[in-house]
Amino acid sequence: DAGVIQSPRHEVTEMGQEVTLRCKPISGHDYLFWYRQTMMRGLELLIYFNNNVPIDDSGMPEDRFSAKMPNASFSTLKIQPSEPRDSAVYFCASSPGTVGLLDTQYFGPGTRLTVL
Amino acid sequence: AQSVAQPEDQVNVAEGNPLTVKCTYSVSGNPYLFWYVQYPNRGLQFLLKYITGDNLVKGSYGFEAEFNKSQTSFHLKKPSALVSDSALYFCAVRDEPGNTGKLIFGQGTTLQVKP
Repeated sequence: DAGVIQSPRHEVTEMGQEVTLRCKPISGHDYLFWYRQTMMRGLELLIYFNNNVPIDDSGMPEDRFSAKMPNASFSTLKIQPSEPRDSAVYFCASSPGTVGLLDTQYFGPGTRLTVL
Repeated sequence: AQSVAQPEDQVNVAEGNPLTVKCTYSVSGNPYLFWYVQYPNRGLQFLLKYITGDNLVKGSYGFEAEFNKSQTSFHLKKPSALVSDSALYFCAVRDEPGNTGKLIFGQGTTLQVKP
């Protein structure tokens, strides 16, 4: 299995631009998570999906952030408009769902976002 | 509310010596505890977890962790450290399973193993 795939690996954009991060979870996994990692705040859960349905988006910082999962093999995290404080590494993770949220999560390599 | 604390930002150990990375937690119900490791420029990798059963949990790469309910701790240990163990280690906790349960991560501890 290729593991969780994220694209792009690096993104540099200017303030005000729209940014779209992409994630392909491991095939057969029922849960998908989006995390953000910064030096100041550590690793934060932004949102997670179960069977393509958003379950908890309480970690999404503002309305500028949105996430979708149109099918079991693809999810996007969009920031519009982007701001310098959004600069971070964004991770996608998936888990099988055999024991619900107690499953091991498998992380992608992350997208390093820099907003100038 | 559940929380997890890793009191040390960095742990330095000489290769071959035992290592301990500390983690304490706070939950309202039974805790479910995890350790993940992050190598530079990589995503997190699962090491081990405690759900129920034996207090001593064995995981990947020779790591183990001991669940101590009275001290609300879940310290990560390894009898003999390797230079390749140098990485960022995260402890995580979640509460009783529920529809809206989340995995809460600690701030991370950098482990530096010197030759």
